[in-house]
Amino acid sequence: GDSVTQMEGPVTLSEEAFLTINCTYTATGYPSLFWYVQYPGEGLQLLLKATKADDKGSNKGFEATYRKETTSFHLEKGSVQVSDSAVYFCALRGSGNTGKLIFGQGTTLQVKP
Amino acid sequence: NAGVTQTPKFRVLKTGQSMTLLCAQDMNHEYMYWYRQDPGMGLRLIHYSVGEGTTAKGEVPDGYNVSRLKKQNFLLGLESAAPSQTSVYFCASSYSMPSGGGNEQFFGPGTRLTVL
Repeated sequence: GDSVTQMEGPVTLSEEAFLTINCTYTATGYPSLFWYVQYPGEGLQLLLKATKADDKGSNKGFEATYRKETTSFHLEKGSVQVSDSAVYFCALRGSGNTGKLIFGQGTTLQVKP
Repeated sequence: NAGVTQTPKFRVLKTGQSMTLLCAQDMNHEYMYWYRQDPGMGLRLIHYSVGEGTTAKGEVPDGYNVSRLKKQNFLLGLESAAPSQTSVYFCASSYSMPSGGGNEQFFGPGTRLTVL
């Protein structure tokens, strides 16, 4: 079945450091891919998405490119801020019309001043 | 618009007690979902609904029941709570979509449930 694997955390960075959170997936067909962010004590919010191969999603300085050849959707940011401290979830939606998402286990990011 | 709201925010139950979690959305979304979030396991789908009066099982449905009597509400019930159901529960909703569509899910703030 479909699955998503994220790099294990926690990831601890200093402010202005470069961020990469790896995400790989297994799916049949052509899934849509998402990154969600969860700030402490809150629900999940969509950060960015990509719906077909080679698409690049971007938002708030974060970027991820849908790589079908490597089945990956790695999240990157050039310069992190303390306010980026959160849990990041990679997710996919496969074929079918139910809209169900398959989530990775989440990666905790802590940014220190 | 309030978006997706969940009631209650926190609850403590004893083993064997029952309760209902309420999810409400004001975005006229067709699809609604219940997830549970456990440490190191991401979010797992419990049940979902693709329209008023419909429900379907997700990845981890055992021990839960759901109802979607009104389009804007999706109820999650625990008939006899067990300690294994201690978790944070999230409701989400989205527009209906064609196969492979990129419509996002909108999440509620969560309900933290502890079963003693």
